[in-house]
Amino acid sequence: AQSVTQLGSHVSVSEGALVLLRCNYSSSVPPYLFWYVQYPNQGLQLLLKYTTGATLVKGINGFEAEFKKSETSFHLTKPSAHMSDAAEYFCAVSLNNNNDMRFGAGTRLTVKP
Amino acid sequence: GAVVSQHPSWVICKSGTSVKIECRSLDFQATTMFWYRQFPKQSLMLMATSNEGSKATYEQGVEKDKFLINHASLTLSTLTVTSAHPEDSSFYICSAKDRLGQIYGYTFGSGTRLTVV
Repeated sequence: AQSVTQLGSHVSVSEGALVLLRCNYSSSVPPYLFWYVQYPNQGLQLLLKYTTGATLVKGINGFEAEFKKSETSFHLTKPSAHMSDAAEYFCAVSLNNNNDMRFGAGTRLTVKP
Repeated sequence: GAVVSQHPSWVICKSGTSVKIECRSLDFQATTMFWYRQFPKQSLMLMATSNEGSKATYEQGVEKDKFLINHASLTLSTLTVTSAHPEDSSFYICSAKDRLGQIYGYTFGSGTRLTVV
């Protein structure tokens, strides 16, 4: 079965600083990997996803993630944090397009002025 | 892009009553729907997977008689929480995918906050 582990339940950065949210996965087959953002009392919005091909994936709002098979990682980064980036971020894994999605525990990002 | 409309966005009900949550795919055919629940400050936990026209597959530990899922059409899936109790209070989110999956991927509803008093 597939699973993801998000290191750090809470990350705090200053506005303009680098954002790094960590995600490691476990999968018996090449995984499909996702990052979602959730604002309070709302559903999930897809930031980016990796299925096949280029390992550096660019998403919305300036976020990007790199799939590193050797490290079984899919860390999310953004060069410069904005106040509006404060939210809960979830890493997720799926075995393929027909499989359900399993989520990490989430990382709450706080952006300080 | 693909949109999933989930209603209601919040509901308060009395203990012992039933509550129905709807998820509709607005511009694609949702051949598969996933239902998740999320407790405060926790991650999403998969409850069940439903394919259109088939019985839902429930995750271990999820009571199928308590959480009734119906996916009778390609655009609508419902989750009914029967005889709700305060411990059922949670945030419920649906996710839908189309037949090919890779076109629309997984699209999430906006969630339903259920409070049982």
